[in-house]
Amino acid sequence: DGGITQSPKYLFRKEGQNVTLSCEQNLNHDAMYWYRQDPGQGLRLIYYSQIVNDFQKGDIAEGYSVSREKKESFPLTVTSAQKNPTAFYLCASSIDRRGNQPQHFGDGTRLSIL
Amino acid sequence: ILNVEQSPQSLHVQEGDSTNFTCSFPSSNFYALHWYRWETAKSPEALFVMTLNGDEKKKGRISATLNTKEGYSYLYIKGSQPEDSATYLCAFIPRDDKIIFGKGTRLHILP
Repeated sequence: DGGITQSPKYLFRKEGQNVTLSCEQNLNHDAMYWYRQDPGQGLRLIYYSQIVNDFQKGDIAEGYSVSREKKESFPLTVTSAQKNPTAFYLCASSIDRRGNQPQHFGDGTRLSIL
Repeated sequence: ILNVEQSPQSLHVQEGDSTNFTCSFPSSNFYALHWYRWETAKSPEALFVMTLNGDEKKKGRISATLNTKEGYSYLYIKGSQPEDSATYLCAFIPRDDKIIFGKGTRLHILP
């Protein structure tokens, strides 16, 4: 079945560690997105990519990095510079780069600090 | 930073009753508005993509309207059922900027 796969579902990080969250899609979508959700907050955009080898910062990019070497994959690294990384992370993709088509979401990764 | 407001934050509705809630967004620079339903333990699911002022979209018992001139969209649910319990998110896409999500309206259907 076509869809978006995020892994792992739960992730624990020690202080000072970088961790990478995986996001893979087999929908042949050009655009991919990373969001963060905190309790009582909406989805906040971290990074997005509209085409392979290109990506842009969202509203809360500090402390995060991404790559888009393949169309199917858009991994997110939470670096040690992110001082409050505990959150729920959602990856999404869309066939349309601008917003004329909906986004399709993965099941999310919950990151916690040990 | 542009702001997208959803109201109410939370809503309890008796099964069988109809309900509606609001998404407010900046009226200038509009490009598109999305509605999503997010059920517990699942991923958000797209309901509607709306791009034109006056748009009305319908999917079963759920419908949405759009007023880009005054900057709001309504989501209506007719004859609420237990499976309608979810958080409903709207997302505003400006013409020259990034997507912005509201905080959502959490809907609880009471049996």
